[in-house]
Amino acid sequence: DIQMTQSPSSLSASVGDRVTITCRASQGISNSLAWFQQKPGKAPKSLIYAASTLQSGVPSKFRGSGSGTDFTLTISSLQPEDFATYYCLQYNSYPRTFGQGTKVEIK
Amino acid sequence: EVQLVESGGGWVQPGGSLRLSCEASGFVFRKNWMAWLRQAPGKGLEWVADIKEDGSEKYYLDSVKGRFTISRDNAQNSLYLQMNSLRAEDTAVYHCAGNWVWGQGTLVTVSS
Repeated sequence: DIQMTQSPSSLSASVGDRVTITCRASQGISNSLAWFQQKPGKAPKSLIYAASTLQSGVPSKFRGSGSGTDFTLTISSLQPEDFATYYCLQYNSYPRTFGQGTKVEIK
Repeated sequence: EVQLVESGGGWVQPGGSLRLSCEASGFVFRKNWMAWLRQAPGKGLEWVADIKEDGSEKYYLDSVKGRFTISRDNAQNSLYLQMNSLRAEDTAVYHCAGNWVWGQGTLVTVSS
């Protein structure tokens, strides 16, 4: 199975900050990586697929990058609605596997 | 608007069975792979099973193989998950997903 190591597990940031979350795959997954945002009590929402392609309707302040084993989600100018938990998902092979999640909290 | 609505969750004793359903709308269901995923209380996300557009290929998490069966009815725009021999560790909110959209989920509680 491919292990997805996501870091940090949590972070505190202020409104307006730029935030970076990383995901490392235990083996190469090409660009078969997606990022999801989840707010308490809500279903996950897809932000990015194919490592860097923004889902329709997702603001451009979310940016994904990387290929192979190392991936990054960057949120520029954090807003109150961005405080949530973020997960990466590899869909290069089965079983599909998620990172452990990064909780972004208000400083 | 893409919508996925799950139903069929509830409380069941260990060893019992449940059948989850997911009704899809707002996209061409028959042209999309579909999936079931779950989230145990206070835990992260976990993929459970995938099914190809025509149902000809199915993939499962090792821990549910032989106990869970994913299926679909393209005429009814519906996805299903038959869960047998349920264990306490299967307790979670189960979400269906397709076209990069997730449903709100249905809670399955396995407890004596």
